[in-house]
Amino acid sequence: QQQVKQSPQSLIVQKGGISIINCAYENTAFDYFPWYQQFPGKGPALLIAIRPDVSEKKEGRFTISFNKSAKQFSLHIMDSQPGDSATYFCAAANFNKFYFGSGTKLNVKP
Amino acid sequence: GAVVSQHPSWVICKSGTSVKIECRSLDFQATTMFWYRQFPKQSLMLMATSNEGSKATYEQGVEKDKFLINHASLTLSTLTVTSAHPEDSSFYICSATLEAPDTQYFGPGTRLTVL
Repeated sequence: QQQVKQSPQSLIVQKGGISIINCAYENTAFDYFPWYQQFPGKGPALLIAIRPDVSEKKEGRFTISFNKSAKQFSLHIMDSQPGDSATYFCAAANFNKFYFGSGTKLNVKP
Repeated sequence: GAVVSQHPSWVICKSGTSVKIECRSLDFQATTMFWYRQFPKQSLMLMATSNEGSKATYEQGVEKDKFLINHASLTLSTLTVTSAHPEDSSFYICSATLEAPDTQYFGPGTRLTVL
């Protein structure tokens, strides 16, 4: 059973555009929702994270929107750059147990 | 801060041999370390959770006798793939947590290829 569903599988965005990646979860016990960025051949790097007591968190060009009632959260990358091209994973966690989404491969065209 | 290293970054071995992968937290003491496996173009699958000085907790379907985990100190955990076979070829990634729960920092990964 997949705990976290992520979409789309791949995404192509023009430079300067907005990249949006969505995730949904079922287990209401999850209390930590991070996003990770992974480049080929590298380990994931923590990008931004949110807890369910807030609906939005912004750090630079990256924003997480969180809808507790819908059990959904999304990552918005504003002013997307070619350097943002990577695979992005959402995750949901509780008591240090992480469940990862299937990943979204983002390609930002120059 | 919060840097996690892995060694080696890649390894090629013959079928039937054992391979040890090290995971170190360089600038912090990690109460808990995790080991993940990632197949090409797929997500991370948790293999086991290890706490310093205690036995690792393995996820369902992961053979504990095949994937030996030792967490000897607060900065070092090792994963040994015993009697490796080609189907064990994968990208193995460790992560470590600080005292604050839920924040996992990942290592750069180790690419294992078993011939």
